Amino acid sequence: DGGITQSPKYLFRKEGQNVTLSCEQNLNHDAMYWYRQDPGQGLRLIYYSQIVNDFQKGDIAEGYSVSREKKESFPLTVTSAQKNPTAFYLCASSPSRELFFGEGSRLTVL
Amino acid sequence: RKEVEQDPGPFNVPEGATVAFNCTYSNSASQSFFWYRQDCRKEPKLLMSVYSSGNEDGRFTAQLNRASQYISLLIRDSKLSDSATYLCVVDSYSGYSTLTFGKGTMLLVSP
Repeated sequence: DGGITQSPKYLFRKEGQNVTLSCEQNLNHDAMYWYRQDPGQGLRLIYYSQIVNDFQKGDIAEGYSVSREKKESFPLTVTSAQKNPTAFYLCASSPSRELFFGEGSRLTVL
Repeated sequence: RKEVEQDPGPFNVPEGATVAFNCTYSNSASQSFFWYRQDCRKEPKLLMSVYSSGNEDGRFTAQLNRASQYISLLIRDSKLSDSATYLCVVDSYSGYSTLTFGKGTMLLVSP
């Protein structure tokens, strides 16, 4: 089945550790996105990529990094520079305007 | 002014009721509008796009008012399964077209 797969679903890390969240899609979408959601907050854009080997910062890119070496994959690294990394992270892809989301990764930093 | 504003609710309605949500947006150049549904601790899922002429999908009707810069979602004959948070999403055209999400309106449908 076509879709977007995020892993892991749940992740616990100690403060100061880098963490990489995986996002893979087999929908053949060019555009991919990473959002962050905090309780009671709207989704906020971290990074997005329209084509392979190119990506752009979103509204809250500080403390995060991404790569887009393959069309299907758009991993997100949460670095130790991110001050408040505990959140629900959502990866999405898009064929044009509308977004289709993976099931999300819930990161807790202890 | 916030880019996309929604009443957070919750809207508590009985089964069978009709309920409407509004959402206002600040960017008059926005071209694309959507309603997403998000269940508790799940990912958002596209409910429907919103077209200039208004559109309907079963019990759900979406309207766009460009002059007043708001979109609306009407749910008729509410079901228990409609309980969720409804997110208003607007194209923000900030450099490159990206979507801006409202914080959502919570709907609780009771028996």
